[in-house]
Amino acid sequence: IVLTQSPGTLSLSPGERATLSCRASHSLSDSYLAWYQQKPGQAPRLLIFGASNRATGIPDRFSGSESGTDFTLTISRLEPEDFAVYYCQQYGHSPLTFGGGTKLEIK
Amino acid sequence: QVQLQESGPGLVKPSGTLSLTCAVSGASITDNNWWLWVRQSPEKGLEWIGEIYHSGSTNYNPSLKSRLTMLLDKSKNEFSLRLTSVTAADTAMYYCARLTGGLPDYWGQGTLVTVSS
Repeated sequence: IVLTQSPGTLSLSPGERATLSCRASHSLSDSYLAWYQQKPGQAPRLLIFGASNRATGIPDRFSGSESGTDFTLTISRLEPEDFAVYYCQQYGHSPLTFGGGTKLEIK
Repeated sequence: QVQLQESGPGLVKPSGTLSLTCAVSGASITDNNWWLWVRQSPEKGLEWIGEIYHSGSTNYNPSLKSRLTMLLDKSKNEFSLRLTSVTAADTAMYYCARLTGGLPDYWGQGTLVTVSS
């Protein structure tokens, strides 16, 4: 399954709302879609699983939603530490696959 | 707290063999989980390499299958990756992770492997 993320780069200011998109080439079984945050020199950090469930310790400003094969990660009010690269990943079909990422940068 | 730590040579010569180990703490590799290897490069992004179950069953990326071996060492609570006949295209950051219900929930910090003479 191919995951296409958009936009490639998103330039916003702290306090603004961020909306990141991920489109799957085929329907995902049981909403098996996750979102990760990655900062330079670090491993990906799990934010959201099952399309809309926050992982342990993830602030509630992060939320995920789905509509068919379209998935969205929303960050309600950007904090300085939120500027990073975000990846979606599906784990319902083998092999698991990742999107190409969205870089969230400070405007 | 589940922790994973990759280790292995950072530099491998072309046509050589890349060998990495992932040490697991806070969990047992004999638990009901699969254990995953992923790599990341600017050219290919995040790429699934393969996964291994505590029984020793494996699933490999078809594009790497002919060169790839994954093993478990239950006495050390580690799992390993061996990739033969490497080229510059195998240069990447390599991550190990635990799969729970197919989801990579805990990741190692990664280890950079460069293929160069």
